[in-house]
Amino acid sequence: DAMVIQNPRYQVTQFGKPVTLSCSQTLNHNVMYWYQQKSSQAPKLLFHYYDKDFNNEADTPDNFQSRRPNTSFCFLDIRSPGLGDAAMYLCATSPRGRRDTDTQYFGPGTRLTVL
Amino acid sequence: GQQVMQIPQYQHVQEGEDFTTYCNSSTTLSNIQWYKQRPGGHPVFLIQLVKSGEVKKQKRLTFQFGEAKKNSSLHITATQTTDVGTYFCAGPSGNSNSGYALNFGKGTSLLVTP
Repeated sequence: DAMVIQNPRYQVTQFGKPVTLSCSQTLNHNVMYWYQQKSSQAPKLLFHYYDKDFNNEADTPDNFQSRRPNTSFCFLDIRSPGLGDAAMYLCATSPRGRRDTDTQYFGPGTRLTVL
Repeated sequence: GQQVMQIPQYQHVQEGEDFTTYCNSSTTLSNIQWYKQRPGGHPVFLIQLVKSGEVKKQKRLTFQFGEAKKNSSLHITATQTTDVGTYFCAGPSGNSNSGYALNFGKGTSLLVTP
């Protein structure tokens, strides 16, 4: 029973060609996150939505945008991918619980290759 | 935001040996969470510790939260090859923009040789 689904699992794009990654969830969680994870590194938070409220991390490049049209779906748009954007992109959700005790449920990730 | 430091970065053990990874924060944490990521996989939630001095066990895994709520450890007794992966600790982000977000440690990659 998939709970957090990411499509596609593998994405190849060309340098500078816009790409969109998608995430959907069946958990009805209010919070959705996008992380970037490079090889042998920890996941790095890019931004998250708390319901419809968008929260951008201070060091997330403008090249990265996100959309959340409804509770179930969230998209990551990379407007002009560079070679340094090649990474695994992880979507995660958390329930609308107490701030200090929310745990996160991760999707399988989309591995992005930039040629 | 709050930073969590994790050591060691890598650990290679023989099957049956014990393993411990440590997590430290410069500030008091309201809670700490542990995740496991298998090679090629995604992080999977293991446990959350909330109380000062809390100790929780999951079979061969023992999780501990320090009295000052600034450090935590994960200890695996008698490792098995199925324990291979990267173990991350994560604490709540102190960044006001990050709401419910987590700050992940850099992780400890465990390799178990049969």
